[in-house]
Amino acid sequence: DAGITQSPRHKVTETGTPVTLRCHQTENHRYMYWYRQDPGHGLRLIHYSYGVKDTDKGEVSDGYSVSRSKTEDFLLTLESATSSQTSVYFCAIRTGEINQPQHFGDGTRLSIL
Amino acid sequence: GDSVTQMEGPVTLSEEAFLTINCTYTATGYPSLFWYVQYPGEGLQLLLKATKADDKGSNKGFEATYRKETTSFHLEKGSVQVSDSAVYFCALSDPTSYDKVIFGPGTSLSVIP
Repeated sequence: DAGITQSPRHKVTETGTPVTLRCHQTENHRYMYWYRQDPGHGLRLIHYSYGVKDTDKGEVSDGYSVSRSKTEDFLLTLESATSSQTSVYFCAIRTGEINQPQHFGDGTRLSIL
Repeated sequence: GDSVTQMEGPVTLSEEAFLTINCTYTATGYPSLFWYVQYPGEGLQLLLKATKADDKGSNKGFEATYRKETTSFHLEKGSVQVSDSAVYFCALSDPTSYDKVIFGPGTSLSVIP
């Protein structure tokens, strides 16, 4: 158990509303990641963080922002949700050693109507 | 750029059959290689890993060997069980970049009694 909690686990919301997903870890790992998983596209990196207040964009960052004010929390925000952002979102963490794998949370299923 | 190719399936096997899921990769450096498993409704779980050429990763009866000469990391299990039904992802980690974890598209496995 990598000590990762994602909240909420499920959310249904309407187009145009803001949405924030939370990833919480208990092990003080430096690196945290947000992915989305969609049929036919596999896993795609949205944003990642390499420390408090240090974040960078992944391959599908448009329409998303992130914040990390504490080591243990990494927030993903959809400022104005669109139907194309309906997906399953996964948070992952990684230790400081570069050859180590990522460990994933159980995901948030987000539906935007 | 770096990439991972794996058979997409779905693969259907009878219980106790031999399993092979092929994975090949393209990388400019010397990546670490991973197999992840995803059960329905859950996040990805690390199944096994190998960090250098000729390393063999193993876990729960699954094995994979890092073959640099053929750029492959095929997943094998001698006798599958119904409980092995899941989606399997091959992945590589670029040792020069913390954001570069490349996932294959996933292979869906169904094991029937």
